[in-house]
Amino acid sequence: QVTLKESGPGILQPSQTLSLTCTFSGFSLSTYGMGVGWIRQPSGKGLEWLANIWWDDDKYYNPSLKNRLTISKDTSNNQAFLKITNVDTADTATYYCARIEAWEYYFDYWGQGVMVTVSS
Amino acid sequence: DVVLTQSPATLSVTPGERISLSCRASESVDTYLHWYQQKPNESPRLLIKYASQSISGIPSRFSGSGSGTDFTLSINGVELEDLSIYYCQQGNSLPYTFGAGTKLELK
Repeated sequence: QVTLKESGPGILQPSQTLSLTCTFSGFSLSTYGMGVGWIRQPSGKGLEWLANIWWDDDKYYNPSLKNRLTISKDTSNNQAFLKITNVDTADTATYYCARIEAWEYYFDYWGQGVMVTVSS
Repeated sequence: DVVLTQSPATLSVTPGERISLSCRASESVDTYLHWYQQKPNESPRLLIKYASQSISGIPSRFSGSGSGTDFTLSINGVELEDLSIYYCQQGNSLPYTFGAGTKLELK
């Protein structure tokens, strides 16, 4: 059974760095073809893809935020991470991590999401 | 970036009716077009992959069609539990993009 769960700080101030953790089970990021993506959703709005990380440590970022994003993984602990630097109120959103398989290009399992508020 | 335009933004439905939701891409995405359902306060759930391929555990009343730039999600006999927001997503090129969604509401 595949499950994912996000965790984060809840609230942070503008200009700070947002650090998110995705803890998953039922698959491994050391397995050929496996990947984890991050997607966010401002309240009442649509979905925005942020980044993917793959089993071979390949990484892809949304160019609209690329300079601010860093995705990484800890294979031994079944975790993936996302950092967003220099946050502002526009980064207030629910952040999801989701599983993606190489050459499939869709997200088949999603976490419950973690709400992040940027406020002074 | 590929822009996905979903229509209508909101659709008022009566239980039992057959409905169709549209997703149009700004350029061809072949069949790399996927559909998700998001119920209030829940995470998105994959409904249809590659435009028309079914997903295990998803009711058979959901179906998809299309290729290139025009895609349709159909629900054959809407049920109350289907009142949600539906998103399309393209995986043909990076960055992956989503449509703005179509909200199904009760008429």
